[in-house]
Order: sequence, then structure tokens, then C-alpha cells
Amino acid sequence: QVQLVQSGVEVKKPGASVKVSCKASGYTFSKFGISWVRQAPGQGLEWMGWISPYNGKTNYTQKLQGRLTLTTDTSTTTAYLELTSLGSDDTAVYFCARDRNWFDPWGQGTLVIVSS
Amino acid sequence: QSALTQPASVSGSPGQSITISCTGTSSDIGNYDFVSWYQQHPGKAPQLRIYEVRKRPSGVSDRFSASKSGNMAFLTISRLQAEDEGEYYCCSYAGGSTYVFGGGTKLTVL
Repeated sequence: QVQLVQSGVEVKKPGASVKVSCKASGYTFSKFGISWVRQAPGQGLEWMGWISPYNGKTNYTQKLQGRLTLTTDTSTTTAYLELTSLGSDDTAVYFCARDRNWFDPWGQGTLVIVSS
Repeated sequence: QSALTQPASVSGSPGQSITISCTGTSSDIGNYDFVSWYQQHPGKAPQLRIYEVRKRPSGVSDRFSASKSGNMAFLTISRLQAEDEGEYYCCSYAGGSTYVFGGGTKLTVL
């Protein structure tokens, strides 16, 4: 079955960077994009960015331009999110999702805690 | 890109129907037929319930239906059941491989 499995909890200090992975299985990885969505504690969903595993093309929300980098490794069918210059408002659960102009399925989520 | 607007909460009794609205703009909902709806239970990942405005994925109950009119989208859940409780989010494609979500609506089954 189509599945996305994400890496585990991360605890980072302000100013640090974090890299989250998302391993895809059960479908042809290069055929569909991957979007990343985050959810701060008690808040709604925020779309962050999209990447095409086929050609590496990316698109990021303006708010995170310059701090967010999405990459993929087609040999391991894994997508990566790297976010730099972390602040307390980056504390959130980060989800990857297969993107077909809708999101399905989703990864289980990765909790990133930014705290001094 | 501003978030889509949803009511904060809706409620209904088992067996009743409810409708959740989602208001966008001519740059998102009004311009694309890529509106999707997600249900999220506490501590879990969202799950797709509707895609391309009104299509139901395999395995999703036919009690879920949806539509769009102008810059607004609507999700209707009929014959409410306890398992329908949760947070519901609308989402629209906004061009250039970007998306915008609604703020979420908490559904309570009384």
C-alpha cells in the first residue's frame, strides 16, 4: 500500500537547523510531487512547499523563502525538508504528503521542538 | 496568500446533516477545481475525504459530499455518526504549485 514514513522527534535550539525525512513506498516515487505541511500546537494546517521528485523543481510559501529547502533522493525514494534559523514559532508537527493537487496519503508527522 | 475562511465549529446530532463552508478568493477556490477536504482526529495525520471539489476517494463513505459555488466550497456530512467528529480542513490550489488551507472547523456530534 502507498505509505509515507517520517523520521522521529527533533529537539533543536533557537538558531539551529533541522532536517526531516519522509520515506515513500508502494508507488512510483518520481510520478507524484511531495508537499510539506506543518501544524503548530493547537493551530491549523499550513502548507509549506512542494517538490517534484521527477526533476527536483520546488515551490515554497513566501513566508519561508530563504529558510526552507526541499530535496529528494530517488535512489531511496525519500524526501527531505530542511529548515534553518529555527525560532520558537517553528515548533510544530511537520507532515509530508503525496501531492496530486490534493494530499493523500500523509506521513505520520514529525514533531520538531525549538527550545533553549 | 491568506488562509481560507471556515467556521470555527459546527455541531449536529447523530443522524442529522451538517454543512461546513470554506470561503476563498478568485485566486484560489474561484479559479481552480482543486478543492480538497481533510478530517483530522487529535494527534493524528489528516485524512483525505474529498478531492477535486466533489470526488470521494475509495473507502470514504458516501455520507460525505461536497460542492463549490464561486469563491466558496462546501462539505456536507449526512446521517452523522460519532466517528465523524474531528477537525475538518478545506484546501485549495492557488496556482504555481502552491496551496492554501482553511483555518479548520471542529465538528462535534452531540
